[in-house]
Amino acid sequence: AQKVTQAQTEISVVEKEDVTLDCVYETRDTTYYLFWYKQPPSGELVFLIRRNSFDEQNEISGRYSWNFQKSTSSFNFTITASQVVDSAVYFCALSLTMDTGRRALTFGSGTRLQVQP
Amino acid sequence: DSGVTQTPKHLITATGQRVTLRCSPRSGDLSVYWYQQSLDQGLQFLIQYYNGEERAKGNILERFSAQQFPDLHSELNLSSLELGDSALYFCASSGSSGLPTDTQYFGPGTRLTVL
Repeated sequence: AQKVTQAQTEISVVEKEDVTLDCVYETRDTTYYLFWYKQPPSGELVFLIRRNSFDEQNEISGRYSWNFQKSTSSFNFTITASQVVDSAVYFCALSLTMDTGRRALTFGSGTRLQVQP
Repeated sequence: DSGVTQTPKHLITATGQRVTLRCSPRSGDLSVYWYQQSLDQGLQFLIQYYNGEERAKGNILERFSAQQFPDLHSELNLSSLELGDSALYFCASSGSSGLPTDTQYFGPGTRLTVL
């Protein structure tokens, strides 16, 4: 089955701790794109990153970094020195080909991150 | 602010009724996607329109329909509403290729409550 698994339902850390959110995916596509989105308590979905399957370089953006490992079908997200404002639900998503032959974005179930002051 | 607008923000209605949710994509985006977020099903893709034409369909019920107008705004129509239709409905838009490999930018969502 093609899917995205975020095994961590909820993570709680104390401010300034580093935290890694796991994402494992399954797809039969040879070319695909992976995404991370953030959903803060206000409810909107905020785009964080897009990565294609040919680019295995890790990416860093400020306190955020992403580790893409095709060999283990993982696209993990690390927040360094977490802050209270990082508290949100984080979704990993994969563009995959449906049975209809059309591509669609499929989301994992999300990881709720609580950063305590 | 993603540039995608959705109205209304909240909608409360009764079972059996029909509602229309509205979405305006970011300026220049040709694709509009609709998603449903519920506690039990998570975030589910419903349907995609590209430049006025239906492009892809996901787990959309027959009671639901959508369209995209010449000015590129889109409407999602939900009819014969059931309690289980209560959810957050998101619209997203993306650029000119029409492929969901493009980054999708999401609107603030419409929270539908069916009583």
